[in-house]
Amino acid sequence: DQQVKQNSPSLSVQEGRISILNCDYTNSMFDYFLWYKKYPAEGPTFLISISSIKDKNEDGRFTVFLNKSAKHLSLHIVPSQPGDSAVYFCAASARNTGTASKLTFGTGTRLQVTL
Amino acid sequence: DSGVTQTPKHLITATGQRVTLRCSPRSGDLSVYWYQQSLDQGLQFLIQYYNGEERAKGNILERFSAQQFPDLHSELNLSSLELGDSALYFCASSFLLNTEAFFGQGTRLTVV
Repeated sequence: DQQVKQNSPSLSVQEGRISILNCDYTNSMFDYFLWYKKYPAEGPTFLISISSIKDKNEDGRFTVFLNKSAKHLSLHIVPSQPGDSAVYFCAASARNTGTASKLTFGTGTRLQVTL
Repeated sequence: DSGVTQTPKHLITATGQRVTLRCSPRSGDLSVYWYQQSLDQGLQFLIQYYNGEERAKGNILERFSAQQFPDLHSELNLSSLELGDSALYFCASSFLLNTEAFFGQGTRLTVV
């Protein structure tokens, strides 16, 4: 049962344009969402997070939007740079359950930023 | 550098063998997680420890076990290895149970 889904395995965007990566979730208990970036042969690197009490969080070129009613979140990267080429993982956790809040990951989207 | 250290970086072993993967969390972090990433797959949660106690278990095989020691480092033991156990194994740590986790560089296990 894939509770966090990233339906686009890959995305190609031109340098300078906006990259939009999407993520859907099914578990209504999830209340904390994160994006990680992963380069080959390295561990995932935390990028940005959002709590379910917000619908937007911005950090520099990265903005995460959360639509709770649609159980959907997206990561916007503006402007996209060649160094952004990596695999992006969406993750979610249920912090309000009072138990261990393991991160449940999506399968990732490979972003390629072209010149 | 995330501050999470995993050793070894690479491991090649034969089927039926047993290996131990080691993780040192970031200084001050109390929670340790183990994830498995098979070829072109997502990150599958295996197990989580908080301050020495097991707190959550994912799809971890019975042949696998883990523990977190008093100094907060953790070990993942994989036994009776099969070809399908070949994967990247990541350790992550976080200060509390509900904050973002920081990942190590992973151990690439190859079972031949």
